[in-house]
Parts: sequence; structure tokens; C-alpha cells
Amino acid sequence: SQQGEEDPQALSIQEGENATMNCSYKTSINNLQWYRQNSGRGLVHLILIRSNEREKHSGRLRVTLDTSKKSSSLLITASRAADTASYFCATDTGSTLGRLYFGRGTQLTVWP
Amino acid sequence: DTGVSQDPRHKITKRGQNVTFRCDPISEHNRLYWYRQTLGQGPEFLTYFQNEAQLEKSRLLSDRFSAERPKGSFSTLEIQRTEQGDSAMYLCASSFSGSDGYTFGSGTRLTVV
Repeated sequence: SQQGEEDPQALSIQEGENATMNCSYKTSINNLQWYRQNSGRGLVHLILIRSNEREKHSGRLRVTLDTSKKSSSLLITASRAADTASYFCATDTGSTLGRLYFGRGTQLTVWP
Repeated sequence: DTGVSQDPRHKITKRGQNVTFRCDPISEHNRLYWYRQTLGQGPEFLTYFQNEAQLEKSRLLSDRFSAERPKGSFSTLEIQRTEQGDSAMYLCASSFSGSDGYTFGSGTRLTVV
């Protein structure tokens, strides 16, 4: 079974609005990562947050991690049409060096 | 260095045929991963190499699947006697020990007809 689950499955917003995606996972982790995938393409690494961190920023991205609730959120501020993609959270449980467990993803659509 | 390269981008094959995919990782990366992704799902782990050693194989990787990474550089994934259920996107990724995150290739989309 997949370790992480994203919520919502699909999100549709207007340009300029903020987009928030959530991820829940089942077991303890070393770190949690967020990836973006444009249709039919490979995944692009966005940000990594370690288990001892609570919040991290990168440009318009803000990621939070709550290990007590086994959950994470990805906030994209001032969204753009180019942000339209699927977003996946992936957990590194430390069981195998670097192996990641992905959720099913959130499909984000940003309308111009 | 142009990132992780995968070849071919698309492959259509008849059921029962063998197929082989190639992945060229970023040259400095010592770890290489193969994942499989079906429509509407996230990537699922298949196997992992550290340098030339294959350290783990998923139970998803039946005996029809084999992966190699000779000399710790490029890797190949072979599927023998393909089945329709093998239709998926096969993704390769590489990383360097201790680095943040993977670099993925664009994937090979396999269609078994």
C-alpha cells in the first residue's frame, strides 16, 4: 500500500490565488519530499523537509510538517497557470537508503 | 550534464515480446532507482542500485524483470514476455548519497498490445 496520501485529489483555482495540498502518511519518516509532474513527463523535485523541521520555504512554496499528526502541507502562493501539474508527496522512511514512497498525487489546475 | 536521460521515450510492443529500456543518470550520482507509474497513481518502487550493486528489488519486480547497472554508470531494465499489465510509465531517477531529493528522467512509456 502507498505510504502517503494527498488531499484533495483535484484542486482548481484562479491565477493569483493560493493553493494548499495536504499529505498524510503512516509510519515514521526521515524526511518528506514534494514533487511536481507535468502531464506525461518525469517528476521534478520541489522541496525536502526533514523529520526535525517544522516549516520550510522555497520561493513561492511553503511546506509544513507535523510528525505528531503524520501530515504535511504544501502551499503555493500567488499561483500561475504554469503551476498546473500533479503534485506528489513522497516519504523516506529510512528502511532502504533513499527509497521513496509516493502518494497518488493532487492534480492542480490554475485557470488564467 | 543534461540531467537523467531515458531511452526510448515511447515503446509499443506486442504481448510476449521482450523490451529493454536504458537510463543514463547524472554522472556524479551513485544511486539509481527504477519506478513504475500507472495512470492516476504515484510512482511505485521497483529496484535500486548503489554504484553497480543492486541493493533492493520490490516484490513488484517479477522474475520477468531484470535490471543491471554495469560499471555503476548507465542502467538497463529488461522485461521479458511482456504482458498487458506491464503497460505503464517506467521512470528512472538518480541521486547522490546525502543529497536532497531525486532527479528523475522523463520516463519511458510502455504500451503492450
